[in-house]
Amino acid sequence: EIVLTQSPGTLSLSPGERATLSCRASQSLSSNYLAWYQQKPGQAPRLLIYDASTRATGIPDRFSGIGSGTDFTLTITRLEPDDFAVYYCQQYGNSLSYTFGQGTNLEIK
Amino acid sequence: QMQLVQSGAEVKKTGSSVKISCKASGYSLTYRYLHWVRQAPGQTLEWMGWITPFNGNTYYAQKLQDRLTITRDRSMRAAYMELSSLRSEDTAIYYCASSYSSSSGWFDPWGQGTLVTVSS
Repeated sequence: EIVLTQSPGTLSLSPGERATLSCRASQSLSSNYLAWYQQKPGQAPRLLIYDASTRATGIPDRFSGIGSGTDFTLTITRLEPDDFAVYYCQQYGNSLSYTFGQGTNLEIK
Repeated sequence: QMQLVQSGAEVKKTGSSVKISCKASGYSLTYRYLHWVRQAPGQTLEWMGWITPFNGNTYYAQKLQDRLTITRDRSMRAAYMELSSLRSEDTAIYYCASSYSSSSGWFDPWGQGTLVTVSS
């Protein structure tokens, strides 16, 4: 099973700042099959990025993803109050087993 | 607009079974994969398994394959997740989510979630 390790566990920033979230895979992901989700309390996850760098429909360009192999990054520029949430990465490189990272809690400083 | 709508919260006894529905609104599941993902309180997301409504093929996470059954109805607008021999550690929010294929395995959309509480 591919293990995803996200860092940091908690990130404290202020609105207007830039957030950089990391996701590292225990083995190289084929075709950069990695997605990022945002989850707010009491809500289902929302897809932000797939295939490591493609924004999902309706996601603003303040959200961007980059990476390949085992190291992936989600960057959020000009943080808005609505961006503070938990962010998960997910790999689908092994189509018979999908795994998620443990999450990064982006909180208001 | 594609939506997945799940059945309501359940409270179950240890050792019993639970069956949750997931209905597609605004589109057919025919040529998409339908996954189940759960989230225990304060924990990360755990993928459970998928079904292809077109032919009913399924694949389950190894740790759950003895207790998990995913089915769909012939209209291909609804899928079901049944988990048997419930334990306290099965207490979680259960989500259904859709993907284009097993390899294009990002999940969008998601259902709203169904809370399952297991107690003795």
